[in-house]
Amino acid sequence: GNSVTQMEGPVTLSEEAFLTINCTYTATGYPSLFWYVQYPGEGLQLLLKATKADDKGSNKGFEATYRKETTSFHLEKGSVQVSDSAVYFCALRKTGFQKLVFGTGTRLLVSP
Amino acid sequence: DVKVTQSSRYLVKRTGEKVFLECVQDMDHENMFWYRQDPGLGLRLIYFSYDVKMKEKGDIPEGYSVSREKKERFSLILESASTNQTSMYLCASSLQGNEQFFGPGTRLTVL
Repeated sequence: GNSVTQMEGPVTLSEEAFLTINCTYTATGYPSLFWYVQYPGEGLQLLLKATKADDKGSNKGFEATYRKETTSFHLEKGSVQVSDSAVYFCALRKTGFQKLVFGTGTRLLVSP
Repeated sequence: DVKVTQSSRYLVKRTGEKVFLECVQDMDHENMFWYRQDPGLGLRLIYFSYDVKMKEKGDIPEGYSVSREKKERFSLILESASTNQTSMYLCASSLQGNEQFFGPGTRLTVL
């Protein structure tokens, strides 16, 4: 079946550090890949997405590249801020389907 | 901006009670979804609906039912609440093939 695996958290960083959150997936065909972010007390917001191999999604300084050869979609940011503290979810959606399959989420804590 | 609203942010119910969670979206989206979010398990799909009066089971439908009588409203029903249904419930909506927009969530506690 389809599944998404994320690194366990929490990830604890100091402000301006480099961030990587790993995400790998298992799926047949060519799914679309997503990163969602959940700030404290809120619902999820789409952060970025990629719909085909080698696509790079980017938003708010975050980037992720769809790597079909390694079935990965790692999230990166060059310099994190305290305001980036949140839970990050990697997800996939198979082409032609509406359902999202989520990873378990990774909590990021950024200290000043 | 798309807005998805949920009827309550926090709800406390007793075992055996019938519980209704309401979700409303204002962007004429065909698809609506109910998830529950639990620590270490991420989001799991309970039910979704792709049109008025249409529904499909998600991954964990047991103990839940849904109703979609109008396009903008999607209700999740716990017929007889149990303590293992204590969770955060998230509603989402989407246009066909596009991103899902989420509501703020309802934290339900069943005593």
